[in-house]
Amino acid sequence: QVQLHESGPGLVKPSDTMSLTCTVSGGSIGHYYWTWIRQSPGKGLEWIGHIYDSGSTKYNPSLKSRVTISVGTSRSQFSLKLTSVSAADTAVYYCARGYHASGSYFDLWGQGTLVTVSS
Amino acid sequence: QSVLTQPPSVSGAPGQRVTISCTGSSSNIGASYNVHWYQQVPGTAPKLLIYGTTNRPSGVPARFSGSRSGTSASLAITGLQAEDEADYYCQSYDSSLSGSNVFGTGTKVTVL
Repeated sequence: QVQLHESGPGLVKPSDTMSLTCTVSGGSIGHYYWTWIRQSPGKGLEWIGHIYDSGSTKYNPSLKSRVTISVGTSRSQFSLKLTSVSAADTAVYYCARGYHASGSYFDLWGQGTLVTVSS
Repeated sequence: QSVLTQPPSVSGAPGQRVTISCTGSSSNIGASYNVHWYQQVPGTAPKLLIYGTTNRPSGVPARFSGSRSGTSASLAITGLQAEDEADYYCQSYDSSLSGSNVFGTGTKVTVL
């Protein structure tokens, strides 16, 4: 049974770079669109972007200039890097599995990790 | 600012039928992109409820159903149960700008 688990620092300083990792257990990264989604406290969901098995990526236009998603060398992890963070980036960050490049549904989610941006 | 609008809240008594609307535009739902629905109990990750506008994943009760008409989609819960109290989000794809997956604003369902 495939499971996802996010990990990374829970506190990041303003203007710093935030890095999170999603570990795929019970399977490997293959032929899926591995996705990052976030949810600000008390707010709705925001799609950040995804990476496909081949390494191709697509990002939310509103975050594109600050986001990088990559696959780890072990091919059981993928990562999110967000630069120049501010308080507006405080959120629970989820990794999820998608099936299509455009308009995919997400059938498998991690439990989420809270990242707070504060000095 | 989400491009998919949902009512902030809906409520119903146990056994009743409630519907949640998801209003979009010609660049998303109206362009025939699929609509998906998620259920989120506070403090937990969203759970896929409906995919491809009308399909239920294995294990999702048949009382949940999805539909689409024009630039809007709807989620219906028939025979509301206490365990259905949660937040619900629609999701689709928007082809404007560079294209992006988009979520609805979310709806809190309260079982009276």
